[in-house]
Amino acid sequence: DQQVKQNSPSLSVQEGRISILNCDYTNSMFDYFLWYKKYPAEGPTFLISISSIKDKNEDGRFTVFLNKSAKHLSLHIVPSQPGDSAVYFCAARTIPYGGATNKLIFGTGTLLAVQP
Amino acid sequence: DTEVTQTPKHLVMGMTNKKSLKCEQHMGHRAMYWYKQKAKKPPELMFVYSYEKLSINESVPSRFSPECPNSSLLNLHLHALQPEDSALYLCASSLSSGRGLSSPLHFGNGTRLTVT
Repeated sequence: DQQVKQNSPSLSVQEGRISILNCDYTNSMFDYFLWYKKYPAEGPTFLISISSIKDKNEDGRFTVFLNKSAKHLSLHIVPSQPGDSAVYFCAARTIPYGGATNKLIFGTGTLLAVQP
Repeated sequence: DTEVTQTPKHLVMGMTNKKSLKCEQHMGHRAMYWYKQKAKKPPELMFVYSYEKLSINESVPSRFSPECPNSSLLNLHLHALQPEDSALYLCASSLSSGRGLSSPLHFGNGTRLTVT
């Protein structure tokens, strides 16, 4: 079962506008959420994260919002730039029952295309 | 440039071959991970090492054998693989893997493995 879902496989945005990428999760035990960006032939690059005790975290052009009651998080990029074109993965951390090591579970990814 | 280095970048091997993937980081991270990513799918966790001890094995077949010789190095030994094992193999590291510490994973650029 897919515990972390990104329902939009792709998104196209004009340069300078806002990009909003969405992510839904099912496991209420997730306590830490992250966004990664991935270019072809490269590994995922960490962008921004948020703890489950917060509802917003901002870093430059990137802001992540967390709505725990809806089990939903979103990444806002403003203004969007052509260099932001990549696949974006959300990820959630969980600690297996009885374990001490956390696991990171990735969503299915959204391909963002920023048009000049 | 990524601070997690993986070699080789590409590997083609037959089903009877034995090969190894290598990963190195010098960020002082004490947790290291192997992920597998198939095309158009999210990365899937295979193994987690915490302080050089294997702490998570996600029911990975024994034809994949991880090894952590020291805190900077992580290997994945491959033997008798199947064509369906062809994928991008990603190594990652984090400051810690424990509960309560929010530490993002830093990924290498991966090894593209093709099994013929």
